[in-house]
Amino acid sequence: QKEVEQNSGPLSVPEGAIASLNCTYSDRGSQSFFWYRQYSGKSPELIMSIYSNGDKEDGRFTAQLNKASQYVSLLIRDSQPSDSATYLCAVNNPNSGYALNFGKGTSLLVTP
Amino acid sequence: GAVVSQHPSWVICKSGTSVKIECRSLDFQATTMFWYRQFPKQSLMLMATSNEGSKATYEQGVEKDKFLINHASLTLSTLTVTSAHPEDSSFYICSARASYPYGYTFGSGTRLTVV
Repeated sequence: QKEVEQNSGPLSVPEGAIASLNCTYSDRGSQSFFWYRQYSGKSPELIMSIYSNGDKEDGRFTAQLNKASQYVSLLIRDSQPSDSATYLCAVNNPNSGYALNFGKGTSLLVTP
Repeated sequence: GAVVSQHPSWVICKSGTSVKIECRSLDFQATTMFWYRQFPKQSLMLMATSNEGSKATYEQGVEKDKFLINHASLTLSTLTVTSAHPEDSSFYICSARASYPYGYTFGSGTRLTVV
């Protein structure tokens, strides 16, 4: 069973702070990594994708990937109350098909 | 960008009846459609993968005779929940894989409640 592990939280951070979300995966053949944000009752929306080791920045979001450690993280700078949601980590190993394997998600609460 | 339209957004049905959920790719050809199910406070669990013009591949534990998937065209995939029971109540989401740079696009989801 290929596992994608996330701390379920809730992770509570004050407005303006940096939120750090972490994810580990067991399939060493994984090549594509995604962070999705999901509001209650809604479908996931893509925040970031990352394919190579290192950091990838997009606005207030930075994804970090370390394939040797099988670890991917998401940093949210200047957190806003509207960032409060569940963040899902998803990985894909193309040799196992193209479906995404999701973690259970981390609930983030940004307090004003 | 790539858009997947999913309908209905919610449905309530009686136990024993069937419900059809549609996903249409509006501006791209979805050669592969993935169907997920999400129970409250759980993650998305892959139910099946469908490729246009061929039979769907179901994940272990998913009854293919209960969850009928049809992917007859490059823009339409359907999931029919047959003889629905209360335990089938869940949030069903489709996802299409499109060519780079679209990646994976998700439908808006269908909340199914079986009473």
